[in-house]
Amino acid sequence: GQQLNQSPQSMFIQEGEDVSMNCTSSSIFNTWLWYKQDPGEGPVLLIALYKAGELTSNGRLTAQFGITRKDSFLNISASIPSDVGIYFCAGRAAGGTSYGKLTFGQGTILTVHP
Amino acid sequence: KAGVTQTPRYLIKTRGQQVTLSCSPISGHRSVSWYQQTPGQGLQFLFEYFSETQRNKGNFPGRFSGRQFSNSRSEMNVSTLELGDSALYLCASSPGPTGITEAFFGQGTRLTVV
Repeated sequence: GQQLNQSPQSMFIQEGEDVSMNCTSSSIFNTWLWYKQDPGEGPVLLIALYKAGELTSNGRLTAQFGITRKDSFLNISASIPSDVGIYFCAGRAAGGTSYGKLTFGQGTILTVHP
Repeated sequence: KAGVTQTPRYLIKTRGQQVTLSCSPISGHRSVSWYQQTPGQGLQFLFEYFSETQRNKGNFPGRFSGRQFSNSRSEMNVSTLELGDSALYLCASSPGPTGITEAFFGQGTRLTVV
């Protein structure tokens, strides 16, 4: 089945630092989504990517859809304490029996020290 | 525009019982997907509905079932509950046929089986 490898698993950074995390897949995806989840809450959509090579920003967040359609990265610039949480990548398969299903990475736990 | 609404937020059941969870998607959205989130397995796809039809199903036993109504609201049912069914159950709403579209999550239902 499809696998999404997300790295790093956790990050401990100082406020003001930039953060980068990425996901790689064994399959081709036609959509990449990045989410942030706070404890006890549902994931909140941060950025959606639809085309290979696409680079999209949302405030201090920037994400890119890899050219091979098998990877994506998320950057957070000038981190602040409220960036703390778990970040997930998710991909939608390009076809076959997994069409439409979202496959999630394992998550990156971000801790920001003031 | 109201977001995705899941009820109840919290639920405690005993082994062997059954449970029904409800999800109301964003107004105008016709696709609803369900996911199970546990610390060990992460976010796992359960099933997806569009226009009252199940379009895709994950690798869960038959005790897990769902349905979608004509107003796009969806329910999922778990019969003969097991301790391992304790999890956060998340519902995601998408605008249309699940291809290249975003998915917006509700806050989830925290199910505890004792």
